[in-house]
Amino acid sequence: DVKVTQSSRYLVKRTGEKVFLECVQDMDHENMFWYRQDPGLGLRLIYFSYDVKMKEKGDIPEGYSVSREKKERFSLILESASTNQTSMYLCASRPGGVETEAFFGQGTRLTVV
Amino acid sequence: GDSVTQMEGPVTLSEEAFLTINCTYTATGYPSLFWYVQYPGEGLQLLLKATKADDKGSNKGFEATYRKETTSFHLEKGSVQVSDSAVYFCARMDSSYKLIFGSGTRLLVRP
Repeated sequence: DVKVTQSSRYLVKRTGEKVFLECVQDMDHENMFWYRQDPGLGLRLIYFSYDVKMKEKGDIPEGYSVSREKKERFSLILESASTNQTSMYLCASRPGGVETEAFFGQGTRLTVV
Repeated sequence: GDSVTQMEGPVTLSEEAFLTINCTYTATGYPSLFWYVQYPGEGLQLLLKATKADDKGSNKGFEATYRKETTSFHLEKGSVQVSDSAVYFCARMDSSYKLIFGSGTRLLVRP
């Protein structure tokens, strides 16, 4: 089974802190994604990566950055956390091809106080 | 741009009732279409998919048919169970091979 593992289920951070959310997949997928999920807004894409050291902005990249130094790991960084970044963060990976589905991690619920 | 629109919830049904959750998408070519389910406290799981027009995806009693004439991919189940209570997301692949999601529909099934 494909496994996508996010480093934390729950995080509480203070405003202004630098926050790292880690995601690891074990199926050698080329593509990895970070979404945030908010009630009534569905999933919104923050950043994605289609190869090591490659990254592309999604729909809501402001206030975030990412790092992909190894194929299996994709990190989301909140440079200076703010209360409006309190949300559920979901990591996903998928192989190449137009018909393949994405596999999701269990999510990290981040609260910024 | 590419988008997915699904019916707002919550949808509340009694056990064994028939379920339909509507989903429509913007048509740029013939994208692959997906339904994902999210149980409380968990990430998203693929429920079913269809990759070309007239395909029917099915899993766990759920079905959805890819209808290009109406650009729709409605989710159906003939008899829901309490364990089907979850949030359901419709999604399409865009031209850059990213998944575009609808806003989700919460389903609550009562015994």
